[in-house]
Amino acid sequence: KQEVTQIPAALSVPEGENLVLNCSFTDSAIYNLQWFRQDPGKGLTSLLLIQSSQREQTSGRLNASLDKSSGRSTLYIAASQPGDSATYLCVLRGNTGKLIFGQGTTLQVKP
Amino acid sequence: ETGVTQTPRHLVMGMTNKKSLKCEQHLGHNAMYWYKQSAKKPLELMFVYSLEERVENNSVPSRFSPECPNSSHLFLHLHTLQPEDSALYLCASSHGQGAEKLFFGSGTQLSVL
Repeated sequence: KQEVTQIPAALSVPEGENLVLNCSFTDSAIYNLQWFRQDPGKGLTSLLLIQSSQREQTSGRLNASLDKSSGRSTLYIAASQPGDSATYLCVLRGNTGKLIFGQGTTLQVKP
Repeated sequence: ETGVTQTPRHLVMGMTNKKSLKCEQHLGHNAMYWYKQSAKKPLELMFVYSLEERVENNSVPSRFSPECPNSSHLFLHLHTLQPEDSALYLCASSHGQGAEKLFFGSGTQLSVL
């Protein structure tokens, strides 16, 4: 059974730091992996989608990597800003099409 | 703005009330989803509609009743809810049920008194 784990559950950093959020999964047979951002009480905004055949995707200050063999994905945020404060969710889509959500990492970037 | 609109944004209802949540998308997607997000828990998939047909129902109690009249609209009808049903209800859509990117609405924050 596929399980998705995000560590740490919460993270607080000063503004300007580069940081890495981790997502691990138990079954490497995935179709794709998507990183979302969620602001309190709101919906999810898609940040990056990595297909199974890809190793990384970049958008602005964000870079997501995928290593299926080790069951890991990371979301790298460069030069963090207070506006980056949110919960970041890692979502896997298995080969059956089913989505599995991590519990998220809540990030606080202090000015 | 993701292109998926949910109304209302907030809803407070009593256990004997009947209410409906609405989701609308004009992205040309043909798959729509209802998710429930309780505090400090991962999102839980409730229902999936593909081409207006319900293709997945994840053991959701019958007090939640979905309706998909067309590919652009999805409703969640609520009746005789329990306080533990209080949560953020999120609607999502995608182009195809398969491996496509998901687009989420802003959610309806539901409180059941």
